[in-house]
Amino acid sequence: DAKTTQPTSMDCAEGRAANLPCNHSTISGNEYVYWYRQIHSQGPQYIIHGLKNNETNEMASLIITEDRKSSTLILPHATLRDTAVYYCIFPSGGSQGNLIFGKGTKLSVKP
Amino acid sequence: SQTIHQWPATLVQPVGSPLSLECTVEGTSNPNLYWYRQAAGRGLQLLFYSVGIGQISSEVPQNLSASRPQDRQFILSSKKLLLSDSGFYLCAWSVDRTGNEKLFFGSGTQLSVL
Repeated sequence: DAKTTQPTSMDCAEGRAANLPCNHSTISGNEYVYWYRQIHSQGPQYIIHGLKNNETNEMASLIITEDRKSSTLILPHATLRDTAVYYCIFPSGGSQGNLIFGKGTKLSVKP
Repeated sequence: SQTIHQWPATLVQPVGSPLSLECTVEGTSNPNLYWYRQAAGRGLQLLFYSVGIGQISSEVPQNLSASRPQDRQFILSSKKLLLSDSGFYLCAWSVDRTGNEKLFFGSGTQLSVL
């Protein structure tokens, strides 16, 4: 079973910021939070990951709460091409390679 | 640079027929390799992962098997396909050994069992 909780779907207007939340209350202190996205009929694409501090790269920003039980992925200026399913995951502790993807959040960017 | 190749892109097979999906990685050595399946409208399910040649870990009991005959080759097989084997199969690789994995996925194989 997935160890994260995400809303099933979200809408965002083109050009506006998209904020995608994720709850991961069982995460351990040394486990990173990873975000991926999957455009229809393609393989998932890595977006960003973080441990404790907020992170930013050319695709997105990641805000992690101080207690690390939740995080938010921010797409600062969403485009129509950002329409995809977004997955928040973290590795199952003690089992290398055991990455559990849940159903993710279906983000629809609308013109 | 590293690349991952997965084929075929689509496959239609009758029930009871065998299956062989192949995945190869270029530009890296001793990668971790993974097979995932995604049923329609559902999340990704980890099927198998491998940390080295001949080392396969199975996450769920099923009609499928995996093999890693070479360092950068990962094969998903079945002797007799079931209708429930239909889905989108994804191969992925990573190199992190600390348990914090950044995955790179292939383009996937859409398998339809009829």
